[in-house]
Amino acid sequence: GQSLEQPSEVTAVEGAIVQINCTYQTSGFYGLSWYQQHDGGAPTFLSYNALDGLEETGRFSSFLSRSDSYGYLLLQELQMKDSASYFCAVTTGFQKLVFGTGTRLLVSP
Amino acid sequence: DGGITQSPKYLFRKEGQNVTLSCEQNLNHDAMYWYRQDPGQGLRLIYYSQIVNDFQKGDIAEGYSVSREKKESFPLTVTSAQKNPTAFYLCASRDRDHEQYFGPGTRLTVT
Repeated sequence: GQSLEQPSEVTAVEGAIVQINCTYQTSGFYGLSWYQQHDGGAPTFLSYNALDGLEETGRFSSFLSRSDSYGYLLLQELQMKDSASYFCAVTTGFQKLVFGTGTRLLVSP
Repeated sequence: DGGITQSPKYLFRKEGQNVTLSCEQNLNHDAMYWYRQDPGQGLRLIYYSQIVNDFQKGDIAEGYSVSREKKESFPLTVTSAQKNPTAFYLCASRDRDHEQYFGPGTRLTVT
């Protein structure tokens, strides 16, 4: 089977830093992506890691360790608008994505 | 403006009826995907197509059918054989890189 595990919910305050972890077990691995989804909206792409290490894009960073089947999304200088669900997703063969069940981030003032 | 459109945003049907969800993209992307999302869950792949006139089953294809007659269009039919069709349906497309672009979704309710 294929599985991706993420915490179901994370809470933080404005200005803080939060890390959302993702461990995966899949048949085939080409990379780990992160998507953001606000309530009722469409997922939007945040980042992609194909190789081990840290990728930084503004306030968001994403990390991958292929040997540990583990990655995380790091959100810095949290803002109220960052309250959303965050999904990790593994790219398997034929550019298929397998999604985790999502982490709901609640940012409070 | 390039993007993906899905219509309608909300759809209501009676049990036993087939229903077709529309997905159109003007991004000139070859690959297109259909996902289903249930409350508090991740996205599950129903069908995908990497090129016109070709498509493959995803992880939960039973009770669904698709066609890909044009590059821009990838409609999904939810048939009466789908046991639990009420869900949020998302269409996506992809260019040569790894990012998938999603449409706004169709929320289907079957009673």
